Amino acid sequence: GAVVSQHPSRVICKSGTSVKIECRSLDFQATTMFWYRQFPKQSLMLMATSNEGSKATYEQGVEKDKFLINHASLTLSTLTVTSAHPEDSSFYICSARNPGTEGWGYTFGSGTRLTVV
Amino acid sequence: GENVEQHPSTLSVQEGDSAVIKCTYSDSASNYFPWYKQELGKGPQLIIDIRSNVGEKKDQRIAVTLNKTAKHFSLHITETQPEDSAVYFCAGWRTGNQFYFGTGTSLTVIP
Repeated sequence: GAVVSQHPSRVICKSGTSVKIECRSLDFQATTMFWYRQFPKQSLMLMATSNEGSKATYEQGVEKDKFLINHASLTLSTLTVTSAHPEDSSFYICSARNPGTEGWGYTFGSGTRLTVV
Repeated sequence: GENVEQHPSTLSVQEGDSAVIKCTYSDSASNYFPWYKQELGKGPQLIIDIRSNVGEKKDQRIAVTLNKTAKHFSLHITETQPEDSAVYFCAGWRTGNQFYFGTGTSLTVIP
């Protein structure tokens, strides 16, 4: 089945630094990928929709200058958390759709646990 | 926009018993309803889904039922096993739109 790889799985960074998270579709091409944030014991909240070759679409309340998204190819989208602060600590999850699979074919990555100290 | 309510938030069952989780959605145009299982520290994994033109779907011990009139859908897990313990999320989706996730149900299967 479709696999979405996310890297790193865990990252600890100092306050004020930037962190890049990668999301790759391993065996299919994804023109659209999605980035979610999940706080402990809460649901997934969509942050932005990443579109290959064009600007990302951000949800209301998500700072586009803080959460930079680059969808440079059909298999890779990156999320960069700039000038990270402790309140940015969260579980970040990407998702992509494989049109070739049964149903809607949305697959999630394994997530990245970001801790800002 | 869509709103998906999920109940219960926590559920404990004895091994071998059944577990039922219910979700209610608000957007009558929603046409796809997946269920995800999320284990600690991992991303959600699709376990079963249903489209709006189907009333029920079953895959071994897991089944989903959809009532379009009442706008609710349910996940049924039979013969529960300890490895079923996880957080389960429902979601609603409308073509051209995005997923709206429920608030999650933490299921604990007691051996």
